[in-house]
Formats: sequence, structure tokens, C-alpha cells
Amino acid sequence: LAKTTQPISMDSYEGQEVNITCSHNNIATNDYITWYQQFPSQGPRFIIQGYKTKVTNEVASLFIPADRKSSTLSLPRVSLSDTAVYYCLVGPLWGGGNKLTFGTGTQLKVEL
Amino acid sequence: DTGVSQDPRHKITKRGQNVTFRCDPISEHNRLYWYRQTLGQGPEFLTYFQNEAQLEKSRLLSDRFSAERPKGSFSTLEIQRTEQGDSAMYLCASSLLLQGDYGYTFGSGTRLTVV
Repeated sequence: LAKTTQPISMDSYEGQEVNITCSHNNIATNDYITWYQQFPSQGPRFIIQGYKTKVTNEVASLFIPADRKSSTLSLPRVSLSDTAVYYCLVGPLWGGGNKLTFGTGTQLKVEL
Repeated sequence: DTGVSQDPRHKITKRGQNVTFRCDPISEHNRLYWYRQTLGQGPEFLTYFQNEAQLEKSRLLSDRFSAERPKGSFSTLEIQRTEQGDSAMYLCASSLLLQGDYGYTFGSGTRLTVV
């Protein structure tokens, strides 16, 4: 499975846009990029998933350049409740039992 | 059915004791997974079931660990002769085959503390 590299931590203020970049130089042709969010004492929660270009949902946007060696999770106008750990995962959509391989994630802290 | 349920939420046990955790997946989900998460780390895969069959086990799952999913519904994870290194959050997740990651739902976990 492709290894991912993302910043250990980021700080932001309420109302700002936050961009978290993930590097995945060894991404395979059939790999998808998925982001999860985890609050303390809770399990990870799916945020967004994409294969190429741009994906947007009600929570976030995911930008993937043509070479797919990196991706950026964009959170618009963050609030205190967005303080969490964000994980970037890369792997096949099907197969392998869909087991997920997590890295250490990015701890986002949002302040007033 | 509002999500994946795990019981208990917290467990404190003395070293050497056996513990058992339960996971109730989303009812229509046929796959069930167990993960372990230690402080500051992401969840690590332990094992997964498709219906009642245990299809894969991680090398992290030592002989002291055993998981079952009788009748393809709820699952239990038992740790025998607990050690302090077993202290972690144990997460259960379920998914429906062919829904990919969109259908992958985690529970809130069982936090185990071995003293």
C-alpha cells in the first residue's frame, strides 16, 4: 500500500480556510485517496474520497493534481469543532478486504 | 440502527486477566473489522470478518487475541493474559461489500487500560 506523509500538526483560527496536504509518491493506478476525521475518544469518520482532479461535498474539498502524487484536503471556514486529527489514506477501493492503513495523521487545532 | 456499537466503552483490568469486548455492527453490513489504536498513532488493523468467516488476521494479533463473529452478526474480541502493552483503544468498524469506503463506519471504541 502506498505510504502517506502529512504534517504532524497545524494551527488555525475560526473562520479561516485550512489546507492539509498529503504526499503519496508511490500511489498505484487503482488507488483512491480518502480522508478521515477523528475526534478524541471516537472512531474515525469518513470525510471525502477522490481519484483525480477535484471532489467537493458539504464538508470539504479534495484537490488531486494530475500526477496524483499528493492531495490537499481543504476545510472552508473552520470552527472550533473542526479541531481533530485528520488522516490521509491511499489504497484500492475494492479488494484486500478494504482494510484501511492509517498513518499518524495531522492534528488540527482551531482557536478563537 | 444508528451505527456501530461497542461495549464496554472503558475497561480497566489487572495484568494477567482476560477481557472480552463486543461490537455490534450496522445490521446490513457484512464485513466487520477490528483495529487497535495507541496514543498518538493511527488505528492499526487487527482482523476482519466477512459474515461469520474470519478472512484476515494481522501479525499484531498474537496468540493471546481471539476474535469471533458467530452467525455473522455481532463480534467479540478476547484478550487473554493481558499485558500492559495491550493498553489501547480497540475500534470496531463495519462495511458493506461493494460500497467501498463510503460504507465504512467506525464505532466509538473500547478503551482498555491494563494496570
